Amino acid sequence: DQQVKQNSPSLSVQEGRISILNCDYTNSMFDYFLWYKKYPAEGPTFLISISSIKDKNEDGRFTVFLNKSAKHLSLHIVPSQPGDSAVYFCAASVSGNTPLVFGKGTRLSVIA
Amino acid sequence: DARVTQTPRHKVTEMGQEVTMRCQPILGHNTVFWYRQTMMQGLELLAYFRNRAPLDDSGMPKDRFSAEMPDATLATLKIQPSEPRDSAVYFCASGLALKSVAFFGPGTRLTVL
Repeated sequence: DQQVKQNSPSLSVQEGRISILNCDYTNSMFDYFLWYKKYPAEGPTFLISISSIKDKNEDGRFTVFLNKSAKHLSLHIVPSQPGDSAVYFCAASVSGNTPLVFGKGTRLSVIA
Repeated sequence: DARVTQTPRHKVTEMGQEVTMRCQPILGHNTVFWYRQTMMQGLELLAYFRNRAPLDDSGMPKDRFSAEMPDATLATLKIQPSEPRDSAVYFCASGLALKSVAFFGPGTRLTVL
């Protein structure tokens, strides 16, 4: 049973437009959420995180939104750049003290 | 430049052979994770250690997989005997207790023929 779900395996966006990647979770104990980016032949790298006490966290072009009542989070990238083309993983943990549970990833392609 | 290192980066072996993957966590990190990436399952947790003690290895097939931390600078994942279904990319990651962010190594791509 997948506790973290990324229902879109892939997404294509034009350069300069907004990319929105979505993630749903089922475990209400999760209170810390992260996004990782992965290029081919490399390990995932941490991108941005959010605690359940917040509903938004912003870092440059990247913003993560959390809707606890819907058990849903999203990652917005604006403006999208070709270098953002990668697989994005959503992950969650309990109190920052349990191993991360990952979704299956969404492959983002930013087209020039 | 602190990073997690993994060896080998690629391994091709025949069914039934033993495979050993090694990981050097970031110096000072006290938590080490082993994840496996497959097309079907995404990134799944195999095992993790805190202060070198195994905390959870429920994600591993116990009869063939074993994970150890001989010392704070080395974590190993062994598969014996290996099977074609073990073909995947195996990632080691390290972090600090009470801090969710885990830092991943580049992975070992394992192919079992």
